[in-house]
Amino acid sequence: AQSVTQLGSHVSVSEGALVLLRCNYSSSVPPYLFWYVQYPNQGLQLLLKYTSAATLVKGINGFEAEFKKSETSFHLTKPSAHMSDAAEYFCAVSESGGSNYKLTFGKGTLLTVNP
Amino acid sequence: DSGVTQTPKHLITATGQRVTLRCSPRSGDLSVYWYQQSLDQGLQFLIQYYNGEERAKGNILERFSAQQFPDLHSELNLSSLELGDSALYFCASSGQGTDTQYFGPGTRLTVL
Repeated sequence: AQSVTQLGSHVSVSEGALVLLRCNYSSSVPPYLFWYVQYPNQGLQLLLKYTSAATLVKGINGFEAEFKKSETSFHLTKPSAHMSDAAEYFCAVSESGGSNYKLTFGKGTLLTVNP
Repeated sequence: DSGVTQTPKHLITATGQRVTLRCSPRSGDLSVYWYQQSLDQGLQFLIQYYNGEERAKGNILERFSAQQFPDLHSELNLSSLELGDSALYFCASSGQGTDTQYFGPGTRLTVL
C-alpha cells in the first residue's frame, strides 16, 4: 500500500523568501510522485512529476522538487515566493509498472505568502 | 484549462436524493478517474474507468456507482444521499500508458 505524509498543514512565508513544502511517501514499488496545486475554488493543476528519469524535477512557475530515495522524500521548493503562489499544495504518489495509476494524496499544505 | 470538463459546477440537493455528475475527459484520453475531496477525508480516489471498463476501485461507497460511455464521457451516480456526502467531486483523465492525470474543475455537492 502506498501513502503520503505532508509535514505542516499550513506554511507561511514572506514574499521573496524560500518556499519549502515537505512530502514523504511510502510505496512497496518504485513510485511515481507528483505535486499538484489548487487555487481557491479551482481544480488541481499539475506542478511537476517524478517518474525516475531524473531526481531533480523542474516544474511550472519556478517550482522544483528533489526525489531522495534514501529519505523517501519529495520536497517541493521555490527560491523566491510570489504572492500568486498562495494556494494549497498536494503531494501524490502512484505505483509504477501497472495499468492503474490511481493517485494517493497527502492531506495538503496551505501556503500563505505575506507581503 | 486542463481540457477536462465537469457538469454541473454546483449541485444542492436534499438527503435521500440521487444525483448524477458528468465528466468529459480530454480529447483522446481513455482513462477517467473520480476523486472526492472533503474536509474530513481529504482527496480520496473513488474509481477508475479505462475505455469503458472499470479498472480500479478505491473508497467508493455502495450507494455510489459510475460508468464510462462509448464516447468516453463518464458519469458518477450518488444515491440515498447523506449530509456527509457533501464534498467536491473531481474527475481526472489520462492518456493510454501515461501516469499524468489532468483534473477537471470539480462539482461541488451540497446535501441539505
